[in-house]
Amino acid sequence: GAVVSQHPSRVICKSGTSVKIECRSLDFQATTMFWYRQFPKKSLMLMATSNEGSKATYEQGVEKDKFLINHASLTLSTLTVTSAHPEDSSFYICSATKASQGAFFGQGTRLTVV
Amino acid sequence: DAKTTQPTSMDCAEGRAANLPCNHSTISGNEYVYWYRQIHSQGPQYIIHGLKNNETNEMASLIITEDRKSSTLILPHATLRDTAVYYCIVRELHQGAQKLVFGQGTRLTINP
Repeated sequence: GAVVSQHPSRVICKSGTSVKIECRSLDFQATTMFWYRQFPKKSLMLMATSNEGSKATYEQGVEKDKFLINHASLTLSTLTVTSAHPEDSSFYICSATKASQGAFFGQGTRLTVV
Repeated sequence: DAKTTQPTSMDCAEGRAANLPCNHSTISGNEYVYWYRQIHSQGPQYIIHGLKNNETNEMASLIITEDRKSSTLILPHATLRDTAVYYCIVRELHQGAQKLVFGQGTRLTINP
């Protein structure tokens, strides 16, 4: 299957700082990527749709100024958590779709805000 | 909202077949049934998908009822590494990007 890579896999940051998470499609181009968030023992919740060359589309209740998404190329989308607070601590996962093969997920990024 | 319902948890003995049910009574004619699984602290992994015919691949088999209102994922010879949360998702198969809406899934535990 296709490979989607996230970086970093784990990050700890201080409250009030910003953190950038990268999502790369390694062997295919993805005009659209998706960002999910997952709290412990809960399911994945879609946060936003990242569109190459245009603005991201956010799900209801997700603050676009808090979670900045940039999709500058066909293989890279970034999620920046701005002014992070402890309640932003979570597992963040991206996905990208390869034509005729379906959705592939990154390995996830565990963010801990202290 | 997710259009599927699954049991919260299931147990299965190692080496036996694990049968995971999923109800999707409101599925529409152009929607496929997808199965993913998530091992602890990893991203979801694709398992299998189907429309109305039963499907089989190297990982699992998918049995879809004739009315398409429910399906069963079968892991024929479960191993300890199959312990994971299994998600059943229905969606249309577009050429474009796939936004997946996850339900709560079934936490499958394989016991030695």
